Amino acid sequence: DTGVSQNPRHKITKRGQNVTFRCDPISEHNRLYWYRQTLGQGPEFLTYFQNEAQLEKSRLLSDRFSAERPKGSFSTLEIQRTEQGDSAMYLCASGNSGTQYEQYFGPGTRLTVT
Amino acid sequence: SQQGEEDPQALSIQEGENATMNCSYKTSINNLQWYRQNSGRGLVHLILIRSNEREKHSGRLRVTLDTSKKSSSLLITASRAADTASYFCATGPPYGYGQNFVFGPGTRLSVLP
Repeated sequence: DTGVSQNPRHKITKRGQNVTFRCDPISEHNRLYWYRQTLGQGPEFLTYFQNEAQLEKSRLLSDRFSAERPKGSFSTLEIQRTEQGDSAMYLCASGNSGTQYEQYFGPGTRLTVT
Repeated sequence: SQQGEEDPQALSIQEGENATMNCSYKTSINNLQWYRQNSGRGLVHLILIRSNEREKHSGRLRVTLDTSKKSSSLLITASRAADTASYFCATGPPYGYGQNFVFGPGTRLSVLP
């Protein structure tokens, strides 16, 4: 079990630039989640995939955010025209519908927008 | 909207003591989970309790759920310095209402040696 991996671990970008993060879930997991976490707060749900289908998106996910999971394996989260308010830790989690609701989290990508 | 809120926000105890954290939420749920997050590390799933369960144990962890009061508690017995972390509850929506899990702001636990 290699766990959930995320790349890059840290990203510093200038306001207005686009960034893309990658998440590799546990291989047999069909569910994949993206969350955002700011300092001192719990994770906020952004979006959810079952296999390659994006089944749920939070209202927090503005038009500048897009996520894909093209082959039902890895996923990417892209933020266009980054703003300073986008600075946060972006967490990916995966799960298996067979085990219901347990989620296994990756280490996260810390984004800093300057 | 359903929302998990932990109480207290911070807790400091001596090694060997028990730690109790509480979580309240607002709407119907399918399940409630507790996660731990160490400084600089990812979240680790600790325990899940379903809405039709009242109590669950896992090692030194004991979780209770009172759906009539919309609250849950996490008890860590015989705490260790390694238990120092933030603890979050996360509520799962009722079956058929998606996968939008809602996390509370967390309880920061410090276990002093």
